Amino acid sequence: QQQVKQSPQSLIVQKGGIPIINCAYENTAFDYFPWYQQFPGKGPALLIAIRPDVSEKKEGRFTISFNKSAKQFSLHIMDSQPGDSATYFCAASIVQGQNFVFGPGTRLSVLP
Amino acid sequence: ETGVTQSPTHLIKTRGQQVTLRCSSQSGHNTVSWYQQALGQGPQFIFQYYREEENGRGNFPPRFSGLQFPNYSSELNVNALELDDSALYLCASSRTSGVHNEQFFGPGTRLTVL
Repeated sequence: QQQVKQSPQSLIVQKGGIPIINCAYENTAFDYFPWYQQFPGKGPALLIAIRPDVSEKKEGRFTISFNKSAKQFSLHIMDSQPGDSATYFCAASIVQGQNFVFGPGTRLSVLP
Repeated sequence: ETGVTQSPTHLIKTRGQQVTLRCSSQSGHNTVSWYQQALGQGPQFIFQYYREEENGRGNFPPRFSGLQFPNYSSELNVNALELDDSALYLCASSRTSGVHNEQFFGPGTRLTVL
């Protein structure tokens, strides 16, 4: 019940495309859902986060869609660029900023 | 504002040995969390320290232990190393007060157990 499932495992898109990464959870006590971006040799960096009381949040080219009833959330990257090539992790926690449960990650490649 | 730093960057140990990894939290942060990230997987929560006390623990055996110091820096100790302990160990710091207590991750320590 503590797991966060994530798909796809890897994704290849052309520059300008809109990659979509999906996550699902079981524990309804989760109340904070961040997305992290990780480049090789670096630690994860927070991209965008959402609470379950909103269905969508946009920050720049990144959008989270949240479906509370389905216990699913997704990340959309608008106008993707080769510099967006990285591994993306969704996560969930019960108290904001505490004890994150991470998904297994999606390796995104954006072709020039 | 300085970021989260970790040392060493890389480490090679043999099975059965002990290891200590170090983390300096970001300025103004009093909470440190440690995660283990196996190759190709998401980080897994080991434990968290707040004001020098353990404040939550994941599903890791007691041979994983930690410390937090008065300056909020932290150590992760692993005894009796096993081959499966080979991973990237990430430290993250956060403020616990206020609404925005995002976790900031360091670059990690890559541990290889032979």
